[in-house]
Amino acid sequence: AQSVTQPDIHITVSEGASLELRCNYSYGATPYLFWYVQSPGQGLQLLLKYFSGDTLVQGIKGFEAEFKRSQSSFNLRKPSVHWSDAAEYFCAVGPNQAGTALIFGKGTTLSVSS
Amino acid sequence: DGGITQSPKYLFRKEGQNVTLSCEQNLNHDAMYWYRQDPGQGLRLIYYSQIVNDFQKGDIAEGYSVSREKKESFPLTVTSAQKNPTAFYLCASSPRDRLPYGEQFFGPGTRLTVL
Repeated sequence: AQSVTQPDIHITVSEGASLELRCNYSYGATPYLFWYVQSPGQGLQLLLKYFSGDTLVQGIKGFEAEFKRSQSSFNLRKPSVHWSDAAEYFCAVGPNQAGTALIFGKGTTLSVSS
Repeated sequence: DGGITQSPKYLFRKEGQNVTLSCEQNLNHDAMYWYRQDPGQGLRLIYYSQIVNDFQKGDIAEGYSVSREKKESFPLTVTSAQKNPTAFYLCASSPRDRLPYGEQFFGPGTRLTVL
């Protein structure tokens, strides 16, 4: 069955430090992969996506993610975290079929300390 | 600006009442989705619709109903059969004619509280 695992429920990072959020997926074919961010009480905003080509993808707000097929992972990274990055982050996998729903991980809450 | 609107932002309901959450999009997307979000649970799919006049149950459809009479609109009714409806509800849409399939665009959400 298709699934997404985000092993870390909550992470705290100092402002200015680097960040890596982990995401592992289970999917039979080449997946489409997404990272979304959600501020409290808001909807989800797309940070970046992967569906073909270069396995290192750049997104908005200085985020990047690397698709590693051998590890079934799509980890999100940022070299220097800002206080405004505090939010909940969701990894999602999409089947390569039009109109079907994404499968979301349970999310990782990021806190940023000063 | 193109986007997805959900109304109302906050909704209060008495036990035993049905309530309808609105979702409208002007992105010309064919597919639309409803999710429920509870703390620590991530997003759970309630219903989705790939085209007008067609929809499918998601993982937690019991106690909910939907309609898709227009491409732009996908209202969700929370019925009295839903035993624990207090949650944050998110609507999303996605195009079907470009890659990557499944890329979803989200509305701002409706927080439903049962009193």
